[in-house]
Amino acid sequence: DGGITQSPKYLFRKEGQNVTLSCEQNLNHDAMYWYRQDPGQGLRLIYYSQIVNDFQKGDIAEGYSVSREKKESFPLTVTSAQKNPTAFYLCASSIGPKGYGYTFGSGTRLTVV
Amino acid sequence: DQQVKQNSPSLSVQEGRISILNCDYTNSMFDYFLWYKKYPAEGPTFLISISSIKDKNEDGRFTVFLNKSAKHLSLHIVPSQPGDSAVYFCAATAYSGAGSYQLTFGKGTKLSVIP
Repeated sequence: DGGITQSPKYLFRKEGQNVTLSCEQNLNHDAMYWYRQDPGQGLRLIYYSQIVNDFQKGDIAEGYSVSREKKESFPLTVTSAQKNPTAFYLCASSIGPKGYGYTFGSGTRLTVV
Repeated sequence: DQQVKQNSPSLSVQEGRISILNCDYTNSMFDYFLWYKKYPAEGPTFLISISSIKDKNEDGRFTVFLNKSAKHLSLHIVPSQPGDSAVYFCAATAYSGAGSYQLTFGKGTKLSVIP
């Protein structure tokens, strides 16, 4: 079955540590995205990538970094510079530059203690 | 500046009745609109969409209406079922430069369908 896999489902980290969230897709989609969901805030775009080895900042990129070395993979690193990292993180992909028709992963809940 | 607004954080509807979820937008460049449904601790799933050249799109119990002059769209669910209880996100897409498009999401409306 084609889809997007995010791992792990739940992640706990100590304050000040970097942590990397995994996102893998087997849909052969060109574009991939990372969103953050906070209560009452909806979905906010962190980073997106239209093609391999290229990515752009979204609305709330500060404190995050990404890489896109393979079409299938778009990992997100939450660095110690992110002031409020505890959130629900969603990865998505779409078939091409036209952004509609996103497929989302099941999300990773990151809790920083 | 929030370009896609869902002004009702929550909505309760009796089973079998109509649910109407509303969404307003400010960016006149938006050309495609979507609704996503999301259960807790899961990713959103696509529900229904509409192009800016249409004013209505129907799929089973779900109908989306678009009023471009008012920059308003709505999602109608008839009849509402308990399994429809979820958070519904309105989203819109527009060209964002460098050959790319992005989805902009509203904050969501939590629908509760009461049996």
